[in-house]
Amino acid sequence: ETGVTQTPRHLVMGMTNKKSLKCEQHLGHNAMYWYKQSAKKPLELMFVYSLEERVENNSVPSRFSPECPNSSHLFLHLHTLQPEDSALYLCASSQDDSSGANVLTFGAGSRLTVL
Amino acid sequence: GQNIDQPTEMTATEGAIVQINCTYQTSGFNGLFWYQQHAGEAPTFLSYNVLDGLEEKGRFSSFLSRSKGYSYLLLKELQMKDSASYLCAVTDSNYQLIWGAGTKLIIKP
Repeated sequence: ETGVTQTPRHLVMGMTNKKSLKCEQHLGHNAMYWYKQSAKKPLELMFVYSLEERVENNSVPSRFSPECPNSSHLFLHLHTLQPEDSALYLCASSQDDSSGANVLTFGAGSRLTVL
Repeated sequence: GQNIDQPTEMTATEGAIVQINCTYQTSGFNGLFWYQQHAGEAPTFLSYNVLDGLEEKGRFSSFLSRSKGYSYLLLKELQMKDSASYLCAVTDSNYQLIWGAGTKLIIKP
């Protein structure tokens, strides 16, 4: 496979469940990102990993827990979520060269519904 | 605060031309991106502007005026497949990417 692959594409969970979202990139990029996309709102950056180290955590609630075991894989562990967490979660990767020109390659997203 | 403004929705006719505007107020500027996102799909990169002027790529062109904090995406010879959301994003002085809420473009026959 090429590009950025996210699984599952759709997930429905109760507020007491624990689940994980998975992202895999086959582009040889050195940075990976989790974004939250809600209807009619700008993309919200949640986490950034560069060279497998977390470099940003934008005040995301602790019920979201990222994991980056290697440069090709990224997980988002979910537990005790709230209904307002229902959204599309997008994974992206880029070759971070510390310029303003980093082009992001996105996955198709995981549509999460919290009941 | 930092802000990107773009219209929520636009409608255009197949074969016509449409211009999607984006204005920004950010702390510094290190480039402006346009991405296309079809419903249920991944956003995909369309263009990057860091200098003033027009960049043309086939049917799509992107314009930037840094002094005005303004960009537009111009789509010519519209096709039904151009129906999508178009996302504007700016890299600020800290190399943080600031996103607009996107413009949903509806193409009618």
